[in-house]
Amino acid sequence: DAKTTQPTSMDCAEGRAANLPCNHSTISGNEYVYWYRQIHSQGPQYIIHGLKNNETNEMASLIITEDRKSSTLILPHATLRDTAVYYCIVGYITGNQFYFGTGTSLTVIP
Amino acid sequence: NAGVTQTPKFQVLKTGQSMTLQCAQDMNHEYMSWYRQDPGMGLRLIHYSVGAGITDQGEVPNGYNVSRSTTEDFPLRLLSAAPSQTSVYFCASSPLSEGSYEQYFGPGTRLTVT
Repeated sequence: DAKTTQPTSMDCAEGRAANLPCNHSTISGNEYVYWYRQIHSQGPQYIIHGLKNNETNEMASLIITEDRKSSTLILPHATLRDTAVYYCIVGYITGNQFYFGTGTSLTVIP
Repeated sequence: NAGVTQTPKFQVLKTGQSMTLQCAQDMNHEYMSWYRQDPGMGLRLIHYSVGAGITDQGEVPNGYNVSRSTTEDFPLRLLSAAPSQTSVYFCASSPLSEGSYEQYFGPGTRLTVT
């Protein structure tokens, strides 16, 4: 039951901004947008989340469109250590509405 | 804090065997969950718990049992292992308090069923 659509893979030059898009056209009014990443075979790592306002933390920025049907995760200065699979998730943190999907495989190129 | 710990790291089972994957967290989180990740796929929710004594099914619960007798522990039991259960299993925990949205994941258990 896919709730989000992401590109399968993307490349980004080291030091440049990585912009990862996500479509979530069926998002409901009180569902959040979360971003996680998974480096190699490790457990996923939380990056950022938002409801309708743009958000920024020490790792990334999250831009959510006004209609909330899509969002973009921005890594401002990508490094080689940012190579990972990035998951855009819509829903609540609890319950069986937390679907990871297949994510976007980001490769940062030296 | 050790965070979320999982044991064992690797396990090989024969078809029909049973086993328990252990998960523990030392952060006093109310919410705990189990996911499986098949090769090239995203994570799928198996079971979750919002507190001791309370469990519920996720997206792919068949073939698995869970219980939550303490806040800290959330074991996952495979009743009769099948090759289709070959996967990497991740346990996660999070608080349920207002403003807490981050799930913390363990390092995973890699299970092979032959």
